[in-house]
Amino acid sequence: DSGVTQTPKHLITATGQRVTLRCSPRSGDLSVYWYQQSLDQGLQFLIQYYNGEERAKGNILERFSAQQFPDLHSELNLSSLELGDSALYFCASSVEGVSRVNEQFFGPGTRLTVL
Amino acid sequence: GENVEQHPSTLSVQEGDSAVIKCTYSDSASNYFPWYKQELGKRPQLIIDIRSNVGEKKDQRIAVTLNKTAKHFSLHITETQPEDSAVYFCAAQYGNKLVFGAGTILRVKS
Repeated sequence: DSGVTQTPKHLITATGQRVTLRCSPRSGDLSVYWYQQSLDQGLQFLIQYYNGEERAKGNILERFSAQQFPDLHSELNLSSLELGDSALYFCASSVEGVSRVNEQFFGPGTRLTVL
Repeated sequence: GENVEQHPSTLSVQEGDSAVIKCTYSDSASNYFPWYKQELGKRPQLIIDIRSNVGEKKDQRIAVTLNKTAKHFSLHITETQPEDSAVYFCAAQYGNKLVFGAGTILRVKS
Protein backbone atom coordinates (compact mmCIF):
# COMPACT_ATOMS: atom_id res chain seq x y z
CA ASP A 1 0.00 0.00 0.00
CA SER A 2 1.56 3.28 -1.16
CA GLY A 3 -0.62 5.52 0.99
CA VAL A 4 -2.21 7.10 -2.08
CA THR A 5 -5.92 6.39 -2.44
CA GLN A 6 -8.09 6.69 -5.51
CA THR A 7 -11.83 6.39 -5.93
CA PRO A 8 -13.70 4.87 -7.55
CA LYS A 9 -11.82 1.71 -8.45
CA HIS A 10 -13.95 1.07 -11.52
CA LEU A 11 -16.19 3.36 -13.52
CA ILE A 12 -18.38 2.41 -16.45
CA THR A 13 -20.15 5.15 -18.34
CA ALA A 14 -21.42 6.11 -21.78
CA THR A 15 -20.01 8.32 -24.49
CA GLY A 16 -20.75 11.99 -24.00
CA GLN A 17 -20.91 11.72 -20.24
CA ARG A 18 -18.77 13.42 -17.59
CA VAL A 19 -16.98 11.75 -14.69
CA THR A 20 -14.85 12.80 -11.76
CA LEU A 21 -11.95 10.77 -10.44
CA ARG A 22 -10.66 11.46 -6.96
CA CYS A 23 -7.22 11.10 -5.42
CA SER A 24 -5.90 11.55 -1.90
CA PRO A 25 -2.12 11.86 -1.69
CA ARG A 26 0.12 10.39 0.98
CA SER A 27 0.16 12.33 4.21
CA GLY A 28 2.61 15.21 3.85
CA ASP A 29 2.94 15.06 0.06
CA LEU A 30 2.20 18.37 -1.61
CA SER A 31 2.42 17.26 -5.23
CA VAL A 32 -0.17 15.26 -7.12
CA TYR A 33 0.29 13.89 -10.63
CA TRP A 34 -2.28 12.37 -12.98
CA TYR A 35 -1.41 9.76 -15.60
CA GLN A 36 -3.39 7.91 -18.25
CA GLN A 37 -2.50 4.35 -19.17
CA SER A 38 -4.34 2.88 -22.13
CA LEU A 39 -4.24 -0.80 -23.02
CA ASP A 40 -0.71 -1.82 -23.94
CA GLN A 41 0.42 1.76 -23.50
CA GLY A 42 2.87 3.43 -21.23
CA LEU A 43 2.17 6.06 -18.65
CA GLN A 44 1.11 9.31 -20.26
CA PHE A 45 1.56 12.30 -17.98
CA LEU A 46 -1.51 14.53 -17.87
CA ILE A 47 -1.03 17.20 -15.23
CA GLN A 48 0.69 18.03 -11.93
CA TYR A 49 -0.48 20.13 -9.01
CA TYR A 50 1.69 21.39 -6.20
CA ASN A 51 0.05 22.73 -3.05
CA GLY A 52 -3.07 23.76 -4.94
CA GLU A 53 -1.38 25.29 -7.97
CA GLU A 54 -0.95 23.79 -11.41
CA ARG A 55 2.76 23.07 -11.83
CA ALA A 56 3.16 21.16 -15.08
CA LYS A 57 1.00 20.08 -17.96
CA GLY A 58 1.37 17.17 -20.31
CA ASN A 59 -0.77 15.92 -23.16
CA ILE A 60 -4.03 16.64 -21.41
CA LEU A 61 -7.06 17.10 -23.63
CA GLU A 62 -9.14 20.26 -23.35
CA ARG A 63 -12.07 18.05 -22.32
CA PHE A 64 -10.11 17.08 -19.22
CA SER A 65 -9.44 19.30 -16.24
CA ALA A 66 -8.11 18.89 -12.74
CA GLN A 67 -7.80 20.73 -9.48
CA GLN A 68 -6.19 20.31 -6.09
CA PHE A 69 -8.12 21.38 -3.04
CA PRO A 70 -6.86 23.00 0.21
CA ASP A 71 -6.81 19.59 1.91
CA LEU A 72 -4.51 18.49 -0.96
CA HIS A 73 -6.82 15.91 -2.47
CA SER A 74 -7.20 16.21 -6.21
CA GLU A 75 -9.93 15.55 -8.74
CA LEU A 76 -9.63 14.82 -12.43
CA ASN A 77 -12.70 15.73 -14.45
CA LEU A 78 -13.26 14.07 -17.81
CA SER A 79 -16.09 15.39 -19.97
CA SER A 80 -17.68 14.62 -23.34
CA LEU A 81 -16.26 11.15 -22.97
CA GLU A 82 -15.23 9.17 -26.04
CA LEU A 83 -14.54 5.47 -26.47
CA GLY A 84 -10.83 6.25 -26.68
CA ASP A 85 -10.86 7.68 -23.17
CA SER A 86 -11.22 4.17 -21.77
CA ALA A 87 -8.06 3.62 -19.78
CA LEU A 88 -6.52 3.20 -16.36
CA TYR A 89 -6.05 6.56 -14.68
CA PHE A 90 -3.37 6.76 -12.03
CA CYS A 91 -2.73 9.41 -9.48
CA ALA A 92 0.69 9.71 -7.87
CA SER A 93 2.02 11.92 -5.12
CA SER A 94 5.45 13.03 -3.98
CA VAL A 95 7.26 15.16 -1.51
CA GLU A 96 8.23 17.94 -3.83
CA GLY A 97 10.78 20.63 -3.32
CA VAL A 98 10.79 23.74 -5.46
CA SER A 99 13.16 22.35 -8.04
CA ARG A 100 13.77 18.75 -7.04
CA VAL A 101 11.89 15.81 -8.47
CA ASN A 102 11.40 12.98 -6.03
CA GLU A 103 9.98 9.49 -5.96
CA GLN A 104 6.36 9.34 -7.00
CA PHE A 105 4.05 6.97 -5.14
CA PHE A 106 1.22 5.67 -7.25
CA GLY A 107 -2.34 4.99 -6.22
CA PRO A 108 -4.19 1.82 -7.25
CA GLY A 109 -5.77 3.51 -10.25
CA THR A 110 -9.29 4.01 -11.55
CA ARG A 111 -10.30 1.87 -14.49
CA LEU A 112 -12.60 3.87 -16.75
CA THR A 113 -14.66 2.10 -19.36
CA VAL A 114 -16.60 4.20 -21.85
CA LEU A 115 -19.31 2.30 -23.73
CA GLY B 1 11.40 17.17 -27.47
CA GLU B 2 10.63 15.52 -24.18
CA ASN B 3 10.95 11.85 -24.77
CA VAL B 4 12.43 8.74 -23.28
CA GLU B 5 13.17 5.79 -25.51
CA GLN B 6 13.16 2.34 -23.94
CA HIS B 7 14.42 -0.92 -25.40
CA PRO B 8 13.60 -3.70 -25.80
CA SER B 9 9.81 -3.66 -25.76
CA THR B 10 9.73 -7.33 -24.75
CA LEU B 11 12.38 -9.50 -23.20
CA SER B 12 12.26 -13.21 -22.45
CA VAL B 13 14.96 -14.78 -20.31
CA GLN B 14 15.49 -18.11 -18.64
CA GLU B 15 15.22 -18.20 -14.87
CA GLY B 16 18.62 -17.45 -13.38
CA ASP B 17 19.84 -15.43 -16.35
CA SER B 18 20.38 -11.67 -16.34
CA ALA B 19 18.11 -9.08 -17.94
CA VAL B 20 19.12 -5.64 -19.18
CA ILE B 21 16.78 -2.84 -20.20
CA LYS B 22 18.10 0.38 -21.72
CA CYS B 23 16.72 3.90 -21.91
CA THR B 24 17.85 7.11 -23.53
CA TYR B 25 16.72 10.65 -22.83
CA SER B 26 17.20 13.98 -24.55
CA ASP B 27 17.46 16.72 -21.91
CA SER B 28 20.97 17.19 -20.53
CA ALA B 29 19.43 18.98 -17.55
CA SER B 30 17.65 15.80 -16.42
CA ASN B 31 19.09 14.58 -13.14
CA TYR B 32 16.66 12.02 -11.74
CA PHE B 33 16.03 8.60 -13.28
CA PRO B 34 13.67 6.15 -11.58
CA TRP B 35 12.65 2.63 -12.63
CA TYR B 36 9.18 1.31 -11.93
CA LYS B 37 7.82 -2.23 -11.99
CA GLN B 38 4.18 -2.81 -12.82
CA GLU B 39 2.54 -6.18 -12.37
CA LEU B 40 -0.62 -6.95 -14.30
CA GLY B 41 -3.52 -4.84 -13.10
CA LYS B 42 -1.50 -3.21 -10.35
CA ARG B 43 0.09 0.14 -9.67
CA PRO B 44 3.63 1.00 -10.80
CA GLN B 45 6.07 0.66 -7.93
CA LEU B 46 9.51 2.18 -7.68
CA ILE B 47 12.25 -0.45 -7.63
CA ILE B 48 15.34 1.72 -7.88
CA ASP B 49 16.32 5.25 -8.82
CA ILE B 50 19.49 7.17 -9.52
CA ARG B 51 20.48 10.80 -9.52
CA SER B 52 23.07 12.27 -11.83
CA ASN B 53 25.71 12.67 -9.18
CA VAL B 54 26.32 8.91 -9.21
CA GLY B 55 27.08 6.52 -12.06
CA GLU B 56 25.78 3.27 -10.58
CA LYS B 57 23.49 2.13 -7.81
CA LYS B 58 22.77 -1.38 -6.58
CA ASP B 59 20.07 -2.96 -4.49
CA GLN B 60 20.45 -6.72 -4.11
CA ARG B 61 19.74 -8.25 -7.54
CA ILE B 62 18.98 -4.99 -9.31
CA ALA B 63 21.32 -2.24 -10.41
CA VAL B 64 21.05 0.90 -12.47
CA THR B 65 23.87 2.54 -14.42
CA LEU B 66 23.84 6.08 -15.77
CA ASN B 67 25.94 7.61 -18.52
CA LYS B 68 25.18 11.32 -18.53
CA THR B 69 27.48 12.05 -21.44
CA ALA B 70 25.65 9.63 -23.68
CA LYS B 71 22.30 10.38 -22.04
CA HIS B 72 21.42 6.79 -21.36
CA PHE B 73 20.74 4.63 -18.36
CA SER B 74 20.14 0.94 -17.89
CA LEU B 75 18.47 -1.48 -15.51
CA HIS B 76 20.23 -4.73 -14.75
CA ILE B 77 18.49 -7.64 -13.04
CA THR B 78 20.66 -10.60 -12.11
CA GLU B 79 19.59 -14.14 -11.21
CA THR B 80 16.10 -13.51 -12.55
CA GLN B 81 13.17 -15.26 -10.91
CA PRO B 82 9.61 -15.90 -12.16
CA GLU B 83 8.32 -13.16 -9.85
CA ASP B 84 10.43 -10.65 -11.78
CA SER B 85 8.01 -11.08 -14.68
CA ALA B 86 6.27 -7.71 -15.10
CA VAL B 87 6.37 -4.52 -17.14
CA TYR B 88 9.29 -2.24 -16.33
CA PHE B 89 9.22 1.50 -17.01
CA CYS B 90 12.13 3.87 -16.97
CA ALA B 91 11.60 7.58 -16.51
CA ALA B 92 13.60 10.77 -16.71
CA GLN B 93 13.01 14.11 -15.13
CA TYR B 94 12.05 16.97 -17.44
CA GLY B 95 11.61 20.13 -15.44
CA ASN B 96 9.07 19.42 -12.75
CA LYS B 97 7.76 16.20 -14.21
CA LEU B 98 8.75 12.66 -15.07
CA VAL B 99 8.52 11.39 -18.63
CA PHE B 100 8.18 7.62 -18.86
CA GLY B 101 9.47 5.21 -21.44
CA ALA B 102 7.03 2.96 -23.26
CA GLY B 103 7.81 0.00 -21.02
CA THR B 104 9.46 -3.41 -21.35
CA ILE B 105 7.53 -6.63 -20.82
CA LEU B 106 9.91 -8.99 -19.04
CA ARG B 107 9.07 -12.69 -19.05
CA VAL B 108 11.14 -15.03 -16.93
CA LYS B 109 10.73 -18.62 -18.02
CA SER B 110 11.16 -21.34 -15.43
